[in-house]
Formats: sequence, C-alpha cells, structure tokens
Amino acid sequence: NAGVTQTPKFRVLKTGQSMTLLCAQDMNHEYMYWYRQDPGMGLRLIHYSVGEGTTAKGEVPDGYNVSRLKKQNFLLGLESAAPSQTSVYFCASSYSRRTNTGELFFGEGSRLTVL
Amino acid sequence: AQSVSQHNHHVILSEAASLELGCNYSYGGTVNLFWYVQYPGQHLQLLLKYFSGDPLVKGIKGFEAEFIKSKFSFNLRKPSVQWSDTAEYFCAVNFGNEKLTFGTGTRLTIIP
Repeated sequence: NAGVTQTPKFRVLKTGQSMTLLCAQDMNHEYMYWYRQDPGMGLRLIHYSVGEGTTAKGEVPDGYNVSRLKKQNFLLGLESAAPSQTSVYFCASSYSRRTNTGELFFGEGSRLTVL
Repeated sequence: AQSVSQHNHHVILSEAASLELGCNYSYGGTVNLFWYVQYPGQHLQLLLKYFSGDPLVKGIKGFEAEFIKSKFSFNLRKPSVQWSDTAEYFCAVNFGNEKLTFGTGTRLTIIP
C-alpha cells in the first residue's frame, strides 16, 4: 500500500519557469491538500479539494493552480515560478465528510528551489 | 479567526528529561486535535489524536497529550525523552470543517 506519493521529490527551477507537482493516493480518499512548509512558519495550506472536479483556495493560494481531474490525483502547478516559492511542498489526503475526523495522511514531500 | 499557537519554537533537552510542548487554539466550538511529528528529512507522521472521551490520550513512542477545554490547550508530554525524539513537532486542529490548521511547530533537540 503506497499511501500518498509525490513526484518529483526534488526540482530546481529558474525564475519564470513553470512546473507541475503530482500527488497520487491509493486510499480512496475524498479530500486532498497541498501544503507548503517554510522554516518558522509551519505548514500553510495552498489549495485543497473535497472531491473529484472540485478545488478551493487555502491560506496562501497566490501563484499556484490546482486540478483534481481524477479522484486519486491532485496536481499543483506553478505557472511562473518565483524565488518566494522555494519551499518544501507536502501533499496530504483524508477521508470523506461522512467519516471525516480531520486526520491527514502525508506524502514524503517535494523540495522545490527557484533560482 | 481560528488559529493554532505553539509558543515553544526550539526546545533543547538532555536525554531522560521530561518534555512538555504547549499548544493552544482559538475557537469555542467542537474541535479534533492532533500532534504530528517530523523526523529529520522525513514527512509528517501522526503521533496522537483526540476526538472525544478521555481528555488524556496516549500515542506512539510513549507520548501523551491532555486536552483541557477550559484552557483551549492540547499539550504534548513525555516523561523521559530519548535522543531519537529529536524532531519537529506540530500541533494541528480541525475546527469542524474540511481543513486542518497547523501551528508553526516546535523543534526539539535532545542532547545525548
């Protein structure tokens, strides 16, 4: 059981380049999330999805876009990367509202550096 | 606004010392409470959780936490820490919606 898988694990970009982070979960979870982790700031929610075809903004959505075309996948896109987006990105998933307790299951993280 | 506070940013202890990390939240309604741990270079793992019932919950690796509703607190404790407990610890709260709000984390360093 793979759980939550993120690709790529590491990436270096130049300012202005675009990229997509892929998150895949095999637990049939309804909810999926993208967080960024920065020193001294904890985890901040970028975007999240409560089901296939739906997305919503989190705490720090600017500069990012997301898509949830399939239930098991949640993509995070950077259209024009900026140095301020240098961070470690974590994907997470959780159960549906019917059985939701808020517990999240995390991927291993993707370290992105923007030069 | 709903928020989670962890006032200890960096805690340094010697092995066998007792540990208590503070967590407070601002919200008067029903909450679900979590502590996650992140070992160096790894992803977040659930340490323990509280949904209802006995306010003293026990988690993995000898950790426990106590929910004190009147103080809006969920402090993490361990009677005797080990070097392997060196990690970053995050308190997180579900405020009854589809999101989990994290505190800023406490970095714990254990000196052998």
